[in-house]
Amino acid sequence: EVQLLESGGALVQPGGSLRLSCAASGFTFSTYGMSWVRQAPGKGLEWVSAIVSGGDSTFYAESVKGRFTITRDNSQNILNLQMNSLRDDDTAVYFCAKQEYRSGGHLDYWGQGTLVTVSS
Amino acid sequence: DIQMTQSPSTLSASVGDRVTITCRASQSINSYLAWYQQKPGKAPKVLIYQASSLQGGAPSRFSGSGSGTEFTLTISSLQPDDFATYYCQQYQSYSYTFGQGTNLEIK
Repeated sequence: EVQLLESGGALVQPGGSLRLSCAASGFTFSTYGMSWVRQAPGKGLEWVSAIVSGGDSTFYAESVKGRFTITRDNSQNILNLQMNSLRDDDTAVYFCAKQEYRSGGHLDYWGQGTLVTVSS
Repeated sequence: DIQMTQSPSTLSASVGDRVTITCRASQSINSYLAWYQQKPGKAPKVLIYQASSLQGGAPSRFSGSGSGTEFTLTISSLQPDDFATYYCQQYQSYSYTFGQGTNLEIK
């Protein structure tokens, strides 16, 4: 059974940093692309970032480019999202999701999400 | 970025109704479109991928159609468990983008 478990969400001040992690199990993690998707309170879904299976290509939404960094550790089956220079509008539940293929595809499995609150 | 526009934003319907949700892309995405269902406080679940392929485990009353820029999600006979928010998403190219969502309410 595929399982994705996010952690690291917290209350952080504007301008601060936070690192989210997603522990994956139940599939061969190293052979699938992974994404982060967020949802601000009461709002819709926003794709944030993706990384291909080998970790050598990454992609970002314009809203987070230059501030967020996605990485993965295929030896530990862990996906990470380093978030710097956080702003109020980064407040959201952050979901990690498995992609259908090595370098893309739809999001076929999702974690339960972790809440990031940016506020002074 | 490719923009995805869903309609309607809210849909009121009754159990047993046939309902259709539309999603339009700002440029051709071939068939690289998925539909997700989300219930309050829960993660989204994929229902349809590649515009018309039913995800394993999704009920057969859900179907998808379209290609290029126009897509539809149809629920053939609404069940109580279907009242939720639905999102389309393109994965033709990064940045992936979602529609704004359709809230399916009980009439």
